[in-house]
Amino acid sequence: EVQLVESGGGSVQPGGSLRLSCAASGFTFSSYEMIWVRQAPGKGLEWVSYINSFGSIIFYADSVKGRFTISRDNAKNSLYLQMNSLRAEDTAVYYCAREATLLSWDYWGQGTLVTVSS
Amino acid sequence: IHMTQSPSSLSASVGDRVTITCRASQSISNFLNWYQQKPGKAPKLLIYAASSLQDGVPSRFSGSGSGTDFTLTISSLQPEDFATYYCQQRWTFGQGTKVEIK
Repeated sequence: EVQLVESGGGSVQPGGSLRLSCAASGFTFSSYEMIWVRQAPGKGLEWVSYINSFGSIIFYADSVKGRFTISRDNAKNSLYLQMNSLRAEDTAVYYCAREATLLSWDYWGQGTLVTVSS
Repeated sequence: IHMTQSPSSLSASVGDRVTITCRASQSISNFLNWYQQKPGKAPKLLIYAASSLQDGVPSRFSGSGSGTDFTLTISSLQPEDFATYYCQQRWTFGQGTKVEIK
């Protein structure tokens, strides 16, 4: 069974940092591209970042470029999102997801809540 | 590319046929996916490549369209279908359609 489990969320002050993790199981993690998507409270879905299976191709949304860093450790079946210089508008539930057929995202984690507030 | 989804919300009864549309600001061929999200839950992939049903998704869900105009149809709305639906093209989501009980 494919499983994605996020961790690392919490409360942080503006300007602070957090590192999110996504533990993958039930599939060959090293063969799949992965993404992070976030959802602010009561709002829609926003794509945050993408990484290919080797970690050699990375993209970011303009809203996080220069502040967030996506990475992966295929030996540990894990995906990461390092978030620096956090702002109030980064408050959201963060989901990791697996990229599948024709640029769709077929498996998602349960999400981890990040709250940025003073 | 900008995705415009409509309506933003709708009220419907169990058994109704429901149609949600998504329009792209330029042609995206068939690279359009649909997701269902229930409160407090992660999104769930329903339809990929505009019209292909994801494994395990009931056949009352269908998708159509290509180019710039796409449609998600629920042929007979069931109680478990009350949720918010999103279209997605690469890095961009539509703004969502909340399907509520009439």
